[in-house]
Amino acid sequence: DAMVIQNPRYQVTQFGKPVTLSCSQTLNHNVMYWYQQKSSQAPKLLFHYYDKDFNNEADTPDNFQSRRPNTSFCFLDIRSPGLGDAAMYLCATSRDLARRETQYFGPGTRLLVL
Amino acid sequence: GEDVEQSLFLSVREGDSSVINCTYTDSSSTYLYWYKQEPGAGLQLLTYIFSNMDMKQDQRLTVLLNKKDKHLSLRIADTQTGDSAIYFCAECPTSGTYKYIFGTGTRLKVLA
Repeated sequence: DAMVIQNPRYQVTQFGKPVTLSCSQTLNHNVMYWYQQKSSQAPKLLFHYYDKDFNNEADTPDNFQSRRPNTSFCFLDIRSPGLGDAAMYLCATSRDLARRETQYFGPGTRLLVL
Repeated sequence: GEDVEQSLFLSVREGDSSVINCTYTDSSSTYLYWYKQEPGAGLQLLTYIFSNMDMKQDQRLTVLLNKKDKHLSLRIADTQTGDSAIYFCAECPTSGTYKYIFGTGTRLKVLA
């Protein structure tokens, strides 16, 4: 089945130690998104790639970076995780950026910062 | 302005109908989505509706849209314990950017 896959499902890191979260998709979608979701809150968009074009949200901290080496994979890098970065990180894809294009979400990676 | 609001909690008995409400404020035409999030999981798309429609039905799910009042509802018929989850309403206005505006989520608890 075509899907959005995130690895790992759970990630534990130490304060200040860089961590990378992975997302892959078999949908061949042009757009990949990264969201941060804290407990009992709505997902918050961090950035997205439209093909190779990177678009950062204005309020995304510099500590968060992303890479998309090819259509299928997208990575979220947190350079120096703080305690406040503990959250669920959701990857999503859509075929295009048109208004009618539905976003499909992966299962998420829960990040714990010690 | 852009704001999507939902009530935080809903509790129903198994077999009853659940109605989850959402209000949005964007005045342009828009796409509206319902997602389900089970504990520790990602968001699962349930259904969506465009703002030129009044209703959409898909098996146990019925979406009603009152465009005048900017009110959207999701009705789940014959609610089961497996329906216990957080339900997010999301709006994607046709003007401006492509971005989703999520509601705060409604936590549905189904009592056996």
